[in-house]
Amino acid sequence: KAGVTQTPRYLIKTRGQQVTLSCSPISGHRSVSWYQQTPGQGLQFLFEYFSETQRNKGNFPGRFSGRQFSNSRSEMNVSTLELGDSALYLCASSLADNEQFFGPGTRLTVL
Amino acid sequence: GQNIDQPTEMTATEGAIVQINCTYQTSGFNGLFWYQQHAGEAPTFLSYNVLDGLEEKGRFSSFLSRSKGYSYLLLKELQMKDSASYLCAVRDPRGGYQKVTFGIGTKLQVIP
Repeated sequence: KAGVTQTPRYLIKTRGQQVTLSCSPISGHRSVSWYQQTPGQGLQFLFEYFSETQRNKGNFPGRFSGRQFSNSRSEMNVSTLELGDSALYLCASSLADNEQFFGPGTRLTVL
Repeated sequence: GQNIDQPTEMTATEGAIVQINCTYQTSGFNGLFWYQQHAGEAPTFLSYNVLDGLEEKGRFSSFLSRSKGYSYLLLKELQMKDSASYLCAVRDPRGGYQKVTFGIGTKLQVIP
């Protein structure tokens, strides 16, 4: 069974640009959560999608948005990139509430 | 709000036992997770506690006391490959939806 996949794995952008990251959950998993990980802040919850609906949202500005498609694949978008957006973005999928499976992450560098 | 505290770093000797503590203050509680994360890799699931008590899984055990807002992860017979960050995370059921908040993580170094 394939795990969670994320594309791209690495990305370099400049301030002011926008970026779209993609996540494909494990087959059959309908819940997809996104996290931002930085050395100083640790893992911070961005949002969770279930059956194409955003179920929960963390404390991030509106520049961070996401969506989920009917096949459970999810994308997150960051507009007007800032230097502080440089981070590892992790996606996790789950079938039940007691375990999340993480993808390898997308490392975003904003110059 | 959510507040999760765990030590930033710990060092232990190969073959020994180490206990990593986690305390939390949350407005709601619906389960506590422990994850292991090796440098440059994604977190991997270790354990999930929703009721008080000890859950044992091989060399790893996790304990929860909901009344004290306290959990610990116990690693026995430490191996060099156990050098990693260990993340404590709490699920908050506010609003009827699931939201997981992570601690900053404890970086464990296993030395020979």
